[in-house]
Amino acid sequence: GAGVSQSPSNKVTEKGKDVELRCDPISGHTALYWYRQSLGQGLEFLIYFQGNSAPDKSGLPSDRFSAERTGGSVSTLTIQRTQQEDSAVYLCASSRGQEIYEQYFGPGTRLTVT
Amino acid sequence: QKEVEQNSGPLSVPEGAIASLNCTYSDRVSQSFFWYRQYSGKSPELIMSIYSNGDKEDGRFTAQLNKASQYVSLLIRDSQPSDSATYLCAVTSGTGRRALTFGSGTRLQVQP
Repeated sequence: GAGVSQSPSNKVTEKGKDVELRCDPISGHTALYWYRQSLGQGLEFLIYFQGNSAPDKSGLPSDRFSAERTGGSVSTLTIQRTQQEDSAVYLCASSRGQEIYEQYFGPGTRLTVT
Repeated sequence: QKEVEQNSGPLSVPEGAIASLNCTYSDRVSQSFFWYRQYSGKSPELIMSIYSNGDKEDGRFTAQLNKASQYVSLLIRDSQPSDSATYLCAVTSGTGRRALTFGSGTRLQVQP
């Protein structure tokens, strides 16, 4: 079956612009996660959605970052007023949820802020 | 102290040998443990999960967990050049949390 898909695969933006990154999880997976991977910070958690529960936003680095998940499926991560330190690969993962913890990653979006 | 620690490597082993990758974690209530393989320029790929003490085998891979020592390892038997990648250890931190905390990864090089 289809895996996690993300778009765009690459995004170059100017400092101060807003960007939206999209994630489509594996069909039937109720849990969705956003992480980012950068050279200096490794792979770090950003936000987690599980079904209709309130999201776990504890990893968001600032209030410029937000995410939503519509209809329990597709998710959008929005970064407002981008800064150069936001440059990273943004990875989305999904899992079946509840007691099933294995997370499967999408190909990522490489964001470059110039 | 980092929450999940791995030796960055590179760990170099000859083809056909056993590669042993190690990981320690600081949160005693961590419940779920994973190994991901990441090729350069690609996203992490799940290769093993382990939840209870002991060994778990899947093909050429064996994961070992010792919660008392807060230690998890991955053994790769009959290493192949295609196994050359960075291996990331990940744990769920805290009771009920699903988010993964990753180590910085160990780069494995399998020499033909």
